[in-house]
Amino acid sequence: QVQLVQSGAEVKKPGASVKVSCKASGYTFTSYDINWVRQATGQGLEWMGWMNPNSGNTGYAQKFQGRVTMTRNTSISTAYMELSSLRSEDTAVYYCAREVSSGWFAGSYYYGMDVWGQGTTVTVSS
Amino acid sequence: EIVLTQSPGTLSLSPGERATLSCRASQSVSSSYLAWYQQKPGQAPRLLIYGASSRATGIPDRFSGSGSGTDFTLTISRLEPEDFAVYYCQQYGSSPRITFGGGTKVEIK
Repeated sequence: QVQLVQSGAEVKKPGASVKVSCKASGYTFTSYDINWVRQATGQGLEWMGWMNPNSGNTGYAQKFQGRVTMTRNTSISTAYMELSSLRSEDTAVYYCAREVSSGWFAGSYYYGMDVWGQGTTVTVSS
Repeated sequence: EIVLTQSPGTLSLSPGERATLSCRASQSVSSSYLAWYQQKPGQAPRLLIYGASSRATGIPDRFSGSGSGTDFTLTISRLEPEDFAVYYCQQYGSSPRITFGGGTKVEIK
């Protein structure tokens, strides 16, 4: 079945970096963009950025520009999200999600984020 | 940047009642690019509606979406026990590509 499986929980110190993986199965990895979304405890959903696994093209939310890097390894159908210069406010559950769209352009279609990973808890604490 | 405002913040209803959730955009949004998600505690979000009114695969027909321009609505015709959750609207655009509303919690009265 179609699924995204994320790496396990991480505990990091302030100033460190974290790299979360998201392994796709059951579909052609390069055919769908991957988004990363995070959620602090008791808070709403916050979009971080997207990546096209075929081209490697990325787009990041302004808030995370300069601190986030999204990459992929197509040979193992895995997407990665690395966040650097961690601070306590980065403590959250991080999700990857498959996007069904034709990419942004006039007249493009968008069918939502239909498959989500199980989430990876990242805790930043000294 | 488009801001999505959801109301009410919390909706207290009983099973069997009708739920009406609002999502208002700060500027006009193409209905083709408006989605709704359900999230239960400890779970990832689940896609309910895309294109403002199209149900995702496997979503029961008690869930319906409507709206255009700046005002969108998610309606749950008769609440089942499993429908008590948090609901988010989401917009797809150019910059930023994805924007979420703040969420509406539907709780048991």
